Amino acid sequence: GQNIDQPTEMTATEGAIVQINCTYQTSGFNGLFWYQQHAGEAPTFLSYNVLDGLEEKGRFSSFLSRSKGYSYLLVKELQMKDSASYLCAVMDSNYQLIWGAGTKLIIKP
Amino acid sequence: DADVTQTPRNRITKTGKRIMLECSQTKGHDRMYWYRQDPGLGLQLIYYSFDVKDINKGEISDGYSVSRQAQAKFSLSLESAIPNQTALYFCATSGGTDTGELFFGEGSRLTVL
Repeated sequence: GQNIDQPTEMTATEGAIVQINCTYQTSGFNGLFWYQQHAGEAPTFLSYNVLDGLEEKGRFSSFLSRSKGYSYLLVKELQMKDSASYLCAVMDSNYQLIWGAGTKLIIKP
Repeated sequence: DADVTQTPRNRITKTGKRIMLECSQTKGHDRMYWYRQDPGLGLQLIYYSFDVKDINKGEISDGYSVSRQAQAKFSLSLESAIPNQTALYFCATSGGTDTGELFFGEGSRLTVL
C-alpha cells in the first residue's frame, strides 16, 4: 500500500530551527509537496520538490532524496505564527496526491 | 474575497438528511477536488473533476456524489448523511501546472447527529 509517515507533533523554541521529516512509500513518484495548515484553516502551499536536493524559499527549505523515499522541511528563525500543522504529500504515478496525517508544530517563547 | 469559496462553512444535520456542500472558484482553473479531513488522518480525496464533463471517484467516494455545474462550480452531496461523515470538508482547485499546487477553500465543517 501507499504510505506517508511524519511525526505527529513537534515542539520548538521561537528563534530556533526545526526540521520536520517525511518518509514515503508510493506507487511511483511525481513530486513531493509541503503545505502549512493553521488550526481551523485551509492548507496553503509551501514547497514542491521533484528532483533530489534542497529548495530554499525564505525561512522555509525543503529537501528530497528519492532513493531514500525521504524529505524534510526546515524552518529557520522560528516565529510564533509558524505554529501550525505541516502536511507532506506525494504525487504518485497516477498523479494522485497521497497525504500524510500532518505534523503539529508547537512554538514556545 | 476568497478565490475558492465554500458554503456553508458550518452545518449540523441529522442522520438520513440530504446535504449539499457548494464550491465556487474565481481562479479560472479546470481542475477541482473535494477532500475530507479527519483528526489524525491525512486529507482523503472524495471526488475530482478535470473539466465540466469529467468526474472521477477518489479513494472514499462511497456515500457521496458530485456535480460539476460549470467550470467554476463543483458541489458535493451526501444523499443520506450518517454520523461517520462528520468531518471537515475542503474544496480545492488546480491549474494543472507542473507543480500541481492546490488552492483550498476555507472548509465546511459538517456534523451529523
